[in-house]
Amino acid sequence: DAKTTQPPSMDCAEGRAANLPCNHSTISGNEYVYWYRQIHSQGPQYIIHGLKNNETNEMASLIITEDRKSSTLILPHATLRDTAVYYCIVGASNDYKLSFGAGTTVTVRA
Amino acid sequence: NAGVTQTPKFQVLKTGQSMTLQCAQDMNHEYMSWYRQDPGMGLRLIHYSVGAGITDQGEVPNGYNVSRSTTEDFPLRLLSAAPSQTSVYFCASSYSQGGLGYTFGSGTRLTVV
Repeated sequence: DAKTTQPPSMDCAEGRAANLPCNHSTISGNEYVYWYRQIHSQGPQYIIHGLKNNETNEMASLIITEDRKSSTLILPHATLRDTAVYYCIVGASNDYKLSFGAGTTVTVRA
Repeated sequence: NAGVTQTPKFQVLKTGQSMTLQCAQDMNHEYMSWYRQDPGMGLRLIHYSVGAGITDQGEVPNGYNVSRSTTEDFPLRLLSAAPSQTSVYFCASSYSQGGLGYTFGSGTRLTVV
């Protein structure tokens, strides 16, 4: 059973913000939201995670709705190198079996 | 550089052959896992380990064996290769449970003919 729903693809203009949505309506109280990305055919790379508060790091911002049923990953100034598949994952801190769904293929265009 | 090293990067097998995909990490991570990724799909968990001597099955374990004799190494064995096992295999390690801090290897591209 998929824990998250993401759009299959989206385009973004270089230099603009990219807003990637993720629905996780069945999320439990102890489950975090994690974001990873996979550039070309490389191994996935960790981006950011959060529980209920908004989070920001050098790569991105994560906005989680108050009811925690959805979240948005924001890439503030997308570059061509941000073209990748982005995975939204939900899991508890003691969960060993994380599932990477199909993700969102983001294409940044010049 | 610290990280997860997978070998080989590419492999072609004939149906019925066996082989071992190697995975090594030098970050002293307790948790390691193997995923497979088929074209256009996400990653599916094959097996995982929470420490030396401890392994368990993931989502798609059939046809694969693992063992964890040291913290550093987590090899994946294909017992009798089948065309359905043609895929890209990723090994990952993490310092914690959950989805935090995964470091992935660069993958092994396996073709079974």
